[in-house]
Amino acid sequence: SQTIHQWPATLVQPVGSPLSLECTVEGTSNPNLYWYRQAAGRGLQLLFYSVGIGQISSEVPQNLSASRPQDRQFILSSKKLLLSDSGFYLCAWSVGQGGANVLTFGAGSRLTVL
Amino acid sequence: AQSVSQHNHHVILSEAASLELGCNYSYGGTVNLFWYVQYPGQHLQLLLKYFSGDPLVKGIKGFEAEFIKSKFSFNLRKPSVQWSDTAEYFCAVTTGGGNKLTFGTGTQLKVEL
Repeated sequence: SQTIHQWPATLVQPVGSPLSLECTVEGTSNPNLYWYRQAAGRGLQLLFYSVGIGQISSEVPQNLSASRPQDRQFILSSKKLLLSDSGFYLCAWSVGQGGANVLTFGAGSRLTVL
Repeated sequence: AQSVSQHNHHVILSEAASLELGCNYSYGGTVNLFWYVQYPGQHLQLLLKYFSGDPLVKGIKGFEAEFIKSKFSFNLRKPSVQWSDTAEYFCAVTTGGGNKLTFGTGTQLKVEL
């Protein structure tokens, strides 16, 4: 069966420090991969999605970047964190094309920037 | 660009009351529509989906939603809610055959005993 792992689960970082959140998927090949940020009252904001290795679509201008070095690995990064980067980050995966595919979400990573 | 609106941000109901949560999207072409639910302390999970065919779709736990194309709506309903339905509910859409899933801002439902 397919599983999705996100780590770390919680992270407290000072302003200006770097960030790396990792997401891996098991049990499937060539998944579509997504990074969302969830904020209270603002729903889920799509940050990045990827349909293949090295293919990253960025949805909003921001202080973050994403990379997909392997088929089932998706990394969210920042060189210098801002206070506004605090939030709950969700990784998700799906398979197939055409939009009629269901996303499966990870447990999330809670980032606090101080 | 596609967008999704959920106008009810917080809803409080008593057990056995009927539920309807509004969802409207903005896109004139082909859409796929979803409702996801996040129970307290749990992962976000799929409640139901509409891809094509019968506009009235049924999901888990007695939920259903109706796609009304002329109103650009996909409202979620349940005839009689239970305390265990307390959760946050998100409407979402993909458009034009693309893989980008856009979510609404969510509705926090609290069901009181």
